[in-house]
Amino acid sequence: DVKVTQSSRYLVKRTGEKVFLECVQDMDHENMFWYRQDPGLGLRLIYFSYDVKMKEKGDIPEGYSVSREKKERFSLILESASTNQTSMYLCASSLPQAAEKLFFGSGTQLSVL
Amino acid sequence: AQSVSQHNHHVILSEAASLELGCNYSYGGTVNLFWYVQYPGQHLQLLLKYFSGDPLVKGIKGFEAEFIKSKFSFNLRKPSVQWSDTAEYFCAVNGLTGGGNKLTFGTGTQLKVEL
Repeated sequence: DVKVTQSSRYLVKRTGEKVFLECVQDMDHENMFWYRQDPGLGLRLIYFSYDVKMKEKGDIPEGYSVSREKKERFSLILESASTNQTSMYLCASSLPQAAEKLFFGSGTQLSVL
Repeated sequence: AQSVSQHNHHVILSEAASLELGCNYSYGGTVNLFWYVQYPGQHLQLLLKYFSGDPLVKGIKGFEAEFIKSKFSFNLRKPSVQWSDTAEYFCAVNGLTGGGNKLTFGTGTQLKVEL
């Protein structure tokens, strides 16, 4: 079974802090994604990556950046956390063929105070 | 740009009732369509998908969905729901022209099945 592991299940940070959310997948997937999930808004794509050192903006990239130095690891960075970034963050991975199937991590609930 | 609308935000049903959750998408070209489900405390997982061919697709746990191209719809159905179907359901679309592997999700429908 594919495993997508997010380093923290719950995280509490203060406004202005730099926050790193880590995601690791163990199935050699080329594609990796970061979504945020908010009640009533569903899942919204922040950034995605098709390959190492490659990144593309999703629908809501403002206030975020990403890093993909190794194929298995995709990091989401909040340069200066704000309260409106309090959310559930979901990492996912997939094979490159036409979004065959996304495998999701269990999520990181981030609270910014 | 591609987008997805799920009109029912909360649905409450009794066990054995029939279910239909609406999903409409906006995209001018060929699409792949998906339903994902998130059971309480669990990961999002794929329920079913449509790529091409028979517009009626069957997924896990007795769910099915019908792609109606003329209506830009991909509604999810189940003839008789069970208490264990309580979950949040997300419709998603992948536009194949320029959308690449980017999935756009709807806002989700929270289904509660009562005994």
